[in-house]
Amino acid sequence: AQSVTQLDSQVPVFEEAPVELRCNYSSSVSVYLFWYVQYPNQGLQLLLKYLSGSTLVKGINGFEAEFNKSQTSFHLRKPSVHISDTAEYFCAVTPRGNSNYQLIWGAGTKLIIKP
Amino acid sequence: KAGVTQTPRYLIKTRGQQVTLSCSPISGHRSVSWYQQTPGQGLQFLFEYFSETQRNKGNFPGRFSGRQFSNSRSEMNVSTLELGDSALYLCASSLGGGGTGELFFGEGSRLTVL
Repeated sequence: AQSVTQLDSQVPVFEEAPVELRCNYSSSVSVYLFWYVQYPNQGLQLLLKYLSGSTLVKGINGFEAEFNKSQTSFHLRKPSVHISDTAEYFCAVTPRGNSNYQLIWGAGTKLIIKP
Repeated sequence: KAGVTQTPRYLIKTRGQQVTLSCSPISGHRSVSWYQQTPGQGLQFLFEYFSETQRNKGNFPGRFSGRQFSNSRSEMNVSTLELGDSALYLCASSLGGGGTGELFFGEGSRLTVL
């Protein structure tokens, strides 16, 4: 079975500062990894995904994430945040090669941008 | 390509009533999943339908049910509404087979139970 831990429920950061949102997972099999973003009063939108290949994945809105197999982590980073990045961010995993399984979700991290 | 469409976007019901929510997936997607999102419990999986069959189910009481039609559109129903059913209900579609499991979400239906 898989599980996902998002270590911070909220991350406050000043505008234009860098940010890292942490995600660790547990799985006995290889996984695909995803980051989704949910802006206020909206559904979830895919930010980026890791399927295979380069461990550094670039997504939309200047976000990137690095897959670290040895540490079973997939942390999300942005070098300079904007007020518009205020949202909740969810990390999710699913077993590789079996799309019958549901995504396993983290609890979410609220990114709070301070002006 | 049109995205996932959920209707209605907002609705208010009273305790004991029942509600039906609708979801139209992305064209070509055969899997539809439903989630309940609340501030206290976060994102919780309700069920998934694939080719008109329930393929996966979360841990919700039988008051929560769903179905999928031959055109992949899906509905979920909640009977005998309780105050705790107030939530954002999210629908997500995916290819369902041979893909990566990536989900595409609708904007959600926000249910308030009074």
